[in-house]
Amino acid sequence: TQLLEQSPQFLSIQEGENLTVYCNSSSVFSSLQWYRQEPGEGPVLLVTVVTGGEVKKLKRLTFQFGDARKDSSLHITAAQPGDTGLYLCAVPLHAGGTSYGKLTFGQGTILTVHP
Amino acid sequence: DAGVIQSPRHEVTEMGQEVTLRCKPISGHDYLFWYRQTMMRGLELLIYFNNNVPIDDSGMPEDRFSAKMPNASFSTLKIQPSEPRDSAVYFCASSFRAGGNYGYTFGSGTRLTVV
Repeated sequence: TQLLEQSPQFLSIQEGENLTVYCNSSSVFSSLQWYRQEPGEGPVLLVTVVTGGEVKKLKRLTFQFGDARKDSSLHITAAQPGDTGLYLCAVPLHAGGTSYGKLTFGQGTILTVHP
Repeated sequence: DAGVIQSPRHEVTEMGQEVTLRCKPISGHDYLFWYRQTMMRGLELLIYFNNNVPIDDSGMPEDRFSAKMPNASFSTLKIQPSEPRDSAVYFCASSFRAGGNYGYTFGSGTRLTVV
């Protein structure tokens, strides 16, 4: 069982369409991060959300952290071919009583935006 | 800053051979992580270091894998002997704080093919 469930696994859309991808869990997290990975490259951090209900915007991308801090969504408005990539959510797993954590990633959503 | 630098970018080797992957983290980052990415299993954490000390190696698949960080600017991941099932993309990432609100910076990865 995956700690983080991302959906959909694959998404193929036309340029200009809107889309939403999801990252769900039954666990509560102190924070959640979204990364985008392009072919042949490593993941790149897009945003970190910390507070339940928090909404952050990055140009045409809108990120929301669930009120209960168990889930998150990423909405892209007017998608462009440059948005094509693998979108990953990640959460830190903190060892009890310590300040360090390691990131655990979801399986990701592969987005393809056709011109 | 040049970012996290990994070498080689591609490695093709025969089963049974020793493979060494290299990583130079971002200067000033005190955490270093090795991940492996496959289509089936996604991004898996293998091991991570804090101030050059291995903290958690529970993700290392078996004794054939070993990692070292002799100083703050260099780390290696070694596989000996290599097997076809080790074929994957291996990423190194660094952070000045593990997890939490500080994201990782990933290298571009080493694509390993064991034939």
